[in-house]
Amino acid sequence: AQKVTQAQTEISVVEKEDVTLDCVYETRDTTYYLFWYKQPPSGELVFLIRRNSFDEQNEISGRYSWNFQKSTSSFNFTITASQVVDSAVYFCALKNRGFQKLVFGTGTRLLVSP
Amino acid sequence: DAGVTQSPTHLIKTRGQQVTLRCSPKSGHDTVSWYQQALGQGPQFIFQYYEEEERQRGNFPDRFSGHQFPNYSSELNVNALLLGDSALYLCASAVRELDEQYFGPGTRLTVT
Repeated sequence: AQKVTQAQTEISVVEKEDVTLDCVYETRDTTYYLFWYKQPPSGELVFLIRRNSFDEQNEISGRYSWNFQKSTSSFNFTITASQVVDSAVYFCALKNRGFQKLVFGTGTRLLVSP
Repeated sequence: DAGVTQSPTHLIKTRGQQVTLRCSPKSGHDTVSWYQQALGQGPQFIFQYYEEEERQRGNFPDRFSGHQFPNYSSELNVNALLLGDSALYLCASAVRELDEQYFGPGTRLTVT
């Protein structure tokens, strides 16, 4: 069975602080894909990143970085120098190879105050 | 390049009624998936359409059905609406062989 756990329900930070969102996943498949999506108040899910199970190289994109560790089944997301515009709900998701079904976690609401 | 579009934006229905939601995929995409997102929860997969056929289905009753047209657009139909069907319904499109799904803005359905 597939499962994604985002234990942090809500995180509040002050602008310019760094923040890490945790994601732990479960799957029996050896080939899978991990995703992060951002959902602002408008409701639309915005794709942020995809990671393949066979590529554990960490990635940095501007203020965003992702730490993928198969040994702990984790795919954590860090925002450096947070901004008010980062306020949103962030979802981690898992997909098996060959299928379109995404399994989402329950999301982490990030509030960045000025 | 237009992204994924959905209509209507909001909808209010009464228990027992039927509803149809519509989705147009991103240009070049041939696969459409539908998700239900209850308040405070993550999206739950309903089903996926490719080549006008349902290819994969989540744990949803037969009251939920869909259709994909030759132009790749899709409809989600829900019969005999229940109060628990109130949610944000999201459509996602992708290219069959690729893995990234792009989501539309959703349709907010309220059942009273």
